[in-house]
Amino acid sequence: NAGVMQNPRHLVRRRGQEARLRCSPMKGHSHVYWYRQLPEEGLKFMVYLQKENIIDESGMPKERFSAEFPKEGPSILRIQQVVRGDSAAYFCASSTLGHRANYGYTFGSGTRLTVV
Amino acid sequence: KNEVEQSPQNLTAQEGEFITINCSYSVGISALHWLQQHPGGGIVSLFMLSSGKKKHGRLIATINIQEKHSSLHITASHPRDSAVYICAAETSGSRLTFGEGTQLTVNP
Repeated sequence: NAGVMQNPRHLVRRRGQEARLRCSPMKGHSHVYWYRQLPEEGLKFMVYLQKENIIDESGMPKERFSAEFPKEGPSILRIQQVVRGDSAAYFCASSTLGHRANYGYTFGSGTRLTVV
Repeated sequence: KNEVEQSPQNLTAQEGEFITINCSYSVGISALHWLQQHPGGGIVSLFMLSSGKKKHGRLIATINIQEKHSSLHITASHPRDSAVYICAAETSGSRLTFGEGTQLTVNP
């Protein structure tokens, strides 16, 4: 049973390009969370999604960032017109309510985005 | 002031020592999480606590809800325990607020 799969592991984009980060949750998990870790800083919550619904996006920057978790396929974090300040590690975690009560969250290995 | 504060920021120990990392939080929580981030960057969930104490191998986590304080203990520390340990407060709606992390280095 594969864990949370994130791809790509490393992504390099030029300023102004779009970045698409993918997260496939653990099998059976319907809750997905995205977090950002800026260089030399702690993790920060970005968005919480369930299938086809955004539950809490209070941590998302107001512009250029969007997230989705469609009925089929992985969750996508999309960053339009990237800037150097978007360079960070982006982590995805998944759970179900029952899973989280017993085991907490399961994290992916992250995507390291570098904007040049 | 951060909602979740960890201490110390950095900790160096000799193999075999007993280690304690502390976490204080100022928000109301539904649970408190301890995470481990490896040098390669991956994150592993160690514990999720809402009361009392949990133990897994050489790791022990405790929480005092009244004092809004949690501790992570490592007994008989080993160089492979070297990592960043992160405390996170889960608030309503499943949102996690993270501490800045404690960089632990265990020397042989």
